[in-house]
Amino acid sequence: DADVTQTPRNRITKTGKRIMLECSQTKGHDRMYWYRQDPGLGLRLIYYSFDVKDINKGEISDGYSVSRQAQAKFSLSLESAIPNQTALYFCATSLGGEQFFGPGTRLTVL
Amino acid sequence: KNEVEQSPQNLTAQEGEFITINCSYSVGISALHWLQQHPGGGIVSLFMLSSGKKKHGRLIATINIQEKHSSLHITASHPRDSAVYICAATVMDSNYQLIWGAGTKLIIKP
Repeated sequence: DADVTQTPRNRITKTGKRIMLECSQTKGHDRMYWYRQDPGLGLRLIYYSFDVKDINKGEISDGYSVSRQAQAKFSLSLESAIPNQTALYFCATSLGGEQFFGPGTRLTVL
Repeated sequence: KNEVEQSPQNLTAQEGEFITINCSYSVGISALHWLQQHPGGGIVSLFMLSSGKKKHGRLIATINIQEKHSSLHITASHPRDSAVYICAATVMDSNYQLIWGAGTKLIIKP
């Protein structure tokens, strides 16, 4: 079984809908991250969490929120999705600087 | 100007060729990462290095701290090496935050 899982893997939704992307990990890492990837651009950090009580904004947090429900779970929400949030979203965990990625969620907002 | 620059953006080569992908950075770092993203989207860590050279199979990563430059080499390239290769830097004194290059898309033709 994969160490970092994401659900759903693909999602198509409409403008204005609320969307939640979920991430679970079995690696036992305290640090978790949400990134988005757009074609031709590097990964951009949305939010990160160093433990259950610690949530931090990344470089592009506007329009997103997160919840760290447990050490193993970190969810990303789009409160009111818009088309320019169409992207590939990755969850990652880290230990000592090296990051371990989930398989990604491809989100399309129509 | 991005703090982590990769070159080339795209590279097409014939099977068997020696491949070099370059990464330059403009900030103080504690580690440099090379990751691989396959067409299916998943991202895996290849190397994390802070000095010298590391080798894994046909992949070699080098870093020159004074010149703020790293290279990823692939010897005896194979079509299965086709992927996007991403350079990322752990910024010094940043609590392990990464800054990302835009990636190099490599295609190896049989």
